[in-house]
Amino acid sequence: AQSVTQLDSQVPVFEEAPVELRCNYSSSVSVYLFWYVQYPNQGLQLLLKYLSGSTLVKGINGFEAEFNKSQTSFHLRKPSVHISDTAEYFCAVSEVSSASKIIFGSGTRLSIRP
Amino acid sequence: NAGVTQTPKFQVLKTGQSMTLQCAQDMNHNSMYWYRQDPGMGLRLIYYSASEGTTDKGEVPNGYNVSRLNKREFSLRLESAAPSQTSVYFCASSERAAMNTEAFFGQGTRLTVV
Repeated sequence: AQSVTQLDSQVPVFEEAPVELRCNYSSSVSVYLFWYVQYPNQGLQLLLKYLSGSTLVKGINGFEAEFNKSQTSFHLRKPSVHISDTAEYFCAVSEVSSASKIIFGSGTRLSIRP
Repeated sequence: NAGVTQTPKFQVLKTGQSMTLQCAQDMNHNSMYWYRQDPGMGLRLIYYSASEGTTDKGEVPNGYNVSRLNKREFSLRLESAAPSQTSVYFCASSERAAMNTEAFFGQGTRLTVV
């Protein structure tokens, strides 16, 4: 069965600084990978997804993530964060052989300091 | 332009009471999910329905039942609520096609069991 680990529960950064949110997954088969964002008191919305092809995936709001199969990682990056990026970020995985079940990590709370 | 609609948005129950959380999607998606979100634990899958007429247990199914009423609707029932079921519940849906497996979320139901 697949699983997702987000090592950092909270990441504080200064505005305009770069940020990386880490995600590692475990699965015995090929996977689809996702990053979702949750703004306060809202549901989740998709930032980006990796299905196949290029390992560097670009998403909304200037975020990008790189799929690394050998390290089973899918880290999320942004070169310069803004106050509006303050939110909780969730990494998620779905096995290609059973694309109906999407498993989420425990989330990383990104707080931006002015 | 509704997407995934959950009702109610808020609910307070006494221990032992029962209730049903309703979810409907208008995107003609095959798969639907129920998650619970607790601080520090991310989203945990309670039950999912890969397609109309099927349901399967997720990571934390105990104390819950589900019904896939038709392709649009997927309800979650608490037969005898317990304080441990205090949480925010999210319904989601996704299409099973390989290139579009992302999940779309409702706004959540905040449930308190006293």
